[in-house]
Amino acid sequence: DGGITQSPKYLFRKEGQNVTLSCEQNLNHDAMYWYRQDPGQGLRLIYYSQIVNDFQKGDIAEGYSVSREKKESFPLTVTSAQKNPTAFYLCASSIRGTTEAFFGQGTRLTVV
Amino acid sequence: DAKTTQPPSMDCAEGRAANLPCNHSTISGNEYVYWYRQIHSQGPQYIIHGLKNNETNEMASLIITEDRKSSTLILPHATLRDTAVYYCIVRVVGDAGNMLTFGGGTRLMVKP
Repeated sequence: DGGITQSPKYLFRKEGQNVTLSCEQNLNHDAMYWYRQDPGQGLRLIYYSQIVNDFQKGDIAEGYSVSREKKESFPLTVTSAQKNPTAFYLCASSIRGTTEAFFGQGTRLTVV
Repeated sequence: DAKTTQPPSMDCAEGRAANLPCNHSTISGNEYVYWYRQIHSQGPQYIIHGLKNNETNEMASLIITEDRKSSTLILPHATLRDTAVYYCIVRVVGDAGNMLTFGGGTRLMVKP
């Protein structure tokens, strides 16, 4: 089945450690996005990529890094520089030039 | 992008129509209206979109006023599974920066 997969669903890390969240899609979409959601809030854009080997910062990129070496994959690294990393992280993809995006089921990261 | 204004919460009786309003008074001529919903702890799901004509699909109907300054998402026969946060987004559909910007949305509670 075609879709977008995030793993793991739940992730726990100690403070000060970097952690990488996985996002894979087999929809042949050019564009991929990472969002952060805090409890009771809307989604905020972290990074987005419209083509392989290219990506741009969103509204809250500080403390995060991404790579886009393959069309199917857009991993997000939450670094130790991110002051409040505990949140729900959502990955999405879309055909470039459209706004109908498909979302993964999210990764809930808890830093203790 | 034009900003949107939605009520923070609404209730609806099961089996009745749910009418979710969205104000986008600064919308420009080439911006589409998109609706997504997010069920608790899941990724957002695309519902419907439109430019100026009313639209209907298997999930919902979208009514856009003639001046395009507001719209209403209609779930004709709401079920308990329609309980979710509904996001109204206006966005230019184009090649550059087609990422979605989510506000707080409307939390719809469908009650038995």
